[in-house]
Amino acid sequence: AQTVTQSQPEMSVQEAETVTLSCTYDTSESDYYLFWYKQPPSRQMILVIRQEAYKQQNATENRFSVNFQKAAKSFSLKISDSQLGDAAMYFCAYSPLLIKAAGNKLTFGGGTRVLVKP
Amino acid sequence: SAVISQKPSRDICQRGTSLTIQCQVDSQVTMMFWYRQQPGQSLTLIATANQGSEATYESGFVIDKFPISRPNLTFSTLTVSNMSPEDSSIYLCSSSLGAGDTDTQYFGPGTRLTVL
Repeated sequence: AQTVTQSQPEMSVQEAETVTLSCTYDTSESDYYLFWYKQPPSRQMILVIRQEAYKQQNATENRFSVNFQKAAKSFSLKISDSQLGDAAMYFCAYSPLLIKAAGNKLTFGGGTRVLVKP
Repeated sequence: SAVISQKPSRDICQRGTSLTIQCQVDSQVTMMFWYRQQPGQSLTLIATANQGSEATYESGFVIDKFPISRPNLTFSTLTVSNMSPEDSSIYLCSSSLGAGDTDTQYFGPGTRLTVL
């Protein structure tokens, strides 16, 4: 079974600074997807970024980027130029890649709370 | 991405009663998923709901406790039966949306359930 581990329960960052969240996972599959989701106090799960395992290039979305190390099974998220609105729980998630899949179930890490100091 | 809505957004229920949560997607989707998020915890998959077939439950979840319906390609319900305070959680539905984006899950806003 796949497992996802986030070793940092909470991270604090100064506004406009950079913070990196760690995520490691365990799988025997060679192809899969990895995601970072953000959950603000409103509890809405918001997709931040996604990475296909077969792509060597790290995904980026504006101020968010990942460092994907497939051999090490590591998938960290970097938030640059942190803003007050970035304060939330961040969850790393794994999804298998299936042929003709129409949506695959997610395995989540335990989450990291990000605090942004003004 | 399409929109996923849930009803109710929150509820407070007495132990021993049941609550049915609705999930509506504004486009047709094959699979819908139901997750539970206990207080201060991460999300755990309860079951996968395919239209026209029985839901597939994850280890630790059973149909008698969490019956699921999937009457069409845009709608699903999750019932939390014979509730106890341990069922107090946020319940979220999700689905993948879009012909070219079938591997990313999008979530409804969640239902916050409190059982007294």
